[in-house]
Amino acid sequence: GAGVSQSPSNKVTEKGKDVELRCDPISGHTALYWYRQSLGQGLEFLIYFQGNSAPDKSGLPSDRFSAERTGGSVSTLTIQRTQQEDSAVYLCASSTDSRAWTQYFGPGTRLLVL
Amino acid sequence: GIQVEQSPPDLILQEGANSTLRCNFSDSVNNLQWFHQNPWGQLINLFYIPSGTKQNGRLSATTVATERYSLLYISSSQTTDSGVYFCAGGATNKLIFGTGTLLAVQP
Repeated sequence: GAGVSQSPSNKVTEKGKDVELRCDPISGHTALYWYRQSLGQGLEFLIYFQGNSAPDKSGLPSDRFSAERTGGSVSTLTIQRTQQEDSAVYLCASSTDSRAWTQYFGPGTRLLVL
Repeated sequence: GIQVEQSPPDLILQEGANSTLRCNFSDSVNNLQWFHQNPWGQLINLFYIPSGTKQNGRLSATTVATERYSLLYISSSQTTDSGVYFCAGGATNKLIFGTGTLLAVQP
């Protein structure tokens, strides 16, 4: 079956603009995770969804970052008023449910803020 | 929070050689996974291994939970094994990643 998909693959934006990143998990997976990978910080957890609710948002770096998930499937990560330090690869992963912890990752969205 | 330390930071091998990668955790983890990030950036899950030993082809992993470390063994390495190997763990399903081991396998 299809894996985790993310769009866009690449995004270039200007400082101060808002961006939306999309994640489509593996069909039937109820748990969804967002991570960020950057040269300076490595791979960092951002937020975790179980169904449509987010029990753990502890990794969101500031209130400019938000995420939602609708219908227990697609998730959108929104970054408002982007800054240059937001440049990174944003990775999405999914797992069967909150008790099955093996995570499967998408290809990522490469965000460059100019 | 949990700290994850990986060694060595980088490794160069000749094709056919074997290697061992290590991951140490600062605290007990219930969730431990190994990933391979290929040169195109895709993260592939290799093992979910909070304890014990697992094998998958030329790869195997062992976690000694009581001593808070895990080992990944690569045997008869191939050029396609090149990339970055990450271990990640945590008390729950939230993963804390190590800084990775960059592996280059030369033909």
